[in-house]
Amino acid sequence: DAGVIQSPRHEVTEMGQEVTLRCKPISGHNSLFWYRQTMMRGLELLIYFNNNVPIDDSGMPEDRFSAKMPNASFSTLKIQPSEPRDSAVYFCASRRGGVETQYFGPGTRLLVL
Amino acid sequence: KQEVTQIPAALSVPEGENLVLNCSFTDSAIYNLQWFRQDPGKGLTSLLLIQSSQREQTSGRLNASLDKSSGRSTLYIAASQPGDSATYLCAVSTGNQFYFGTGTSLTVIP
Repeated sequence: DAGVIQSPRHEVTEMGQEVTLRCKPISGHNSLFWYRQTMMRGLELLIYFNNNVPIDDSGMPEDRFSAKMPNASFSTLKIQPSEPRDSAVYFCASRRGGVETQYFGPGTRLLVL
Repeated sequence: KQEVTQIPAALSVPEGENLVLNCSFTDSAIYNLQWFRQDPGKGLTSLLLIQSSQREQTSGRLNASLDKSSGRSTLYIAASQPGDSATYLCAVSTGNQFYFGTGTSLTVIP
């Protein structure tokens, strides 16, 4: 298996632009997670999907952030409009079942100028 | 809100030494606890997952223990090697929420 796939791996954009991050979970996994990692705040859970349905989005920082999972093999995290404080590494992770381990993607490094 | 703390923040040891990394959490109502490794510029790799009903898990030179009542977990690394150098994070799951510690940066000196 190719593991969790994220794209792009790096993104540099200007403040105010829309940013879309993409994730393909491991086949057969029914839960998907979006995390953000910064030096100041560490790793934070943004949103969690189970069987393509958002279960908990309490970690989404504000309305500028939105996430979708139209099917079991694809999810997007969108930031519109982007701000410099959104600069971070964004990770996607997936798992099978409710108690299995999470498998992380390589992350997307986002820099908003 | 669950808070996860890892001490020390950084650790440097000579090759071959056994070492222990610590993780503490404030709410004992957890489903499981997981230890991860993160190499610079990379994602997280799961090392061990301990269910709330378990006391420990072992994989090769790694042993993780869980004391849910006291809110503590330890990761024991035996006979450390330079390739073990990385940041180690613990994470607790309370069902729909996952809380990560800030990690311990480990350097194993050849």
